[in-house]
Amino acid sequence: DGGITQSPKYLFRKEGQNVTLSCEQNLNHDAMYWYRQDPGQGLRLIYYSQIVNDFQKGDIAEGYSVSREKKESFPLTVTSAQKNPTAFYLCASRSGGAGGEQYFGPGTRLTVT
Amino acid sequence: SQQGEEDPQALSIQEGENATMNCSYKTSINNLQWYRQNSGRGLVHLILIRSNEREKHSGRLRVTLDTSKKSSSLLITASRAADTASYFCATPGKEGAQKLVFGQGTRLTINP
Repeated sequence: DGGITQSPKYLFRKEGQNVTLSCEQNLNHDAMYWYRQDPGQGLRLIYYSQIVNDFQKGDIAEGYSVSREKKESFPLTVTSAQKNPTAFYLCASRSGGAGGEQYFGPGTRLTVT
Repeated sequence: SQQGEEDPQALSIQEGENATMNCSYKTSINNLQWYRQNSGRGLVHLILIRSNEREKHSGRLRVTLDTSKKSSSLLITASRAADTASYFCATPGKEGAQKLVFGQGTRLTINP
């Protein structure tokens, strides 16, 4: 049963703490993405990775960090430097070549108080 | 950097009616994609239309693309309550096709 998993579904943290969101895929996709979605809004790209050990900043990378040590995994760390971290975070991977369709995980809702 | 913009922002119709959503974009593209998002869930890919295509069908979905007007429309025929969701268009970013840029979405509500 192939797909993308994100865990946990809900995450609560205190302000000032770093938190890492998990994203795993068994689709054998090279490219993976992290997006942030605020209520009633579209998706904004945080980071993306086209291949293992390589990643690029998206439109709103400040306060976030990623790693891509394995093809299957692309964890996102929300650091204490992120001013407004409460949001819905979506991970995706891409099928085929550039511009191809993306497959999304179920998302993690992060609440920081 | 917003590429696609959907219109309307919200749409409410009766079950059985058709729903039409529009997307406008700014730069040249090689494809345009539509996604659906149920509340609190991830996005699901619906359809991809290439720049050399004018219309594409998938079940009750019909997508059109007018590259001269830089616009696309998504038509859902014979709507069902299960079609209630947000719909997003997405286009490859202008820096290259490695990433997609999503619009703000149209929130569709189907009333029984």
